[in-house]
Amino acid sequence: DAKTTQPTSMDCAEGRAANLPCNHSTISGNEYVYWYRQIHSQGPQYIIHGLKNNETNEMASLIITEDRKSSTLILPHATLRDTAVYYCIVRPLYNQGGKLIFGQGTELSVKP
Amino acid sequence: KAGVTQTPRYLIKTRGQQVTLSCSPISGHRSVSWYQQTPGQGLQFLFEYFSETQRNKGNFPGRFSGRQFSNSRSEMNVSTLELGDSALYLCASSLDSATQYFGPGTRLLVL
Repeated sequence: DAKTTQPTSMDCAEGRAANLPCNHSTISGNEYVYWYRQIHSQGPQYIIHGLKNNETNEMASLIITEDRKSSTLILPHATLRDTAVYYCIVRPLYNQGGKLIFGQGTELSVKP
Repeated sequence: KAGVTQTPRYLIKTRGQQVTLSCSPISGHRSVSWYQQTPGQGLQFLFEYFSETQRNKGNFPGRFSGRQFSNSRSEMNVSTLELGDSALYLCASSLDSATQYFGPGTRLLVL
């Protein structure tokens, strides 16, 4: 079973920041938080990952709470092309090999 | 760098047949994982191959099998197809097994 809880769906206005929450209250000390997204009928796309510090790349920012029990993915200026299902996954960096356990994710709709 | 490629992209088979799907990973990636995605069950892990050896296996029946070649290309095979095997089959490659890069998938329809 997935070890994360995400809202089923969210809306965001185009050009505004999209803040996608994820709860992972049972996260272990060696587990990272990963985010992927899947645009309709395409393969999932890696977005970002982090352990405990906030992370930022060209796609998004990841904010992890100090107790690491929750995190937020931030898309700073959402566009229509960001409409997708966003998956939050927790896993060890290497011990699990290539296995990802996907939950149901959050369906983000970016509206004009 | 070229991304992960999967062939064929679409496939129609009938019950009882078998099917082989192919995945070419990103150059230099030695880990290849396979996933099945259906509307009812979502994205489920099938198995992972690393350096031609199966390293991880999900909870699927033995009808689902795979292999990896010395050039890291991978194939998965489904024998005795059932209607419930209709799905999007995704392949992902990884350099370090931590971050997965997915292909576009093969959509299989079993009639």
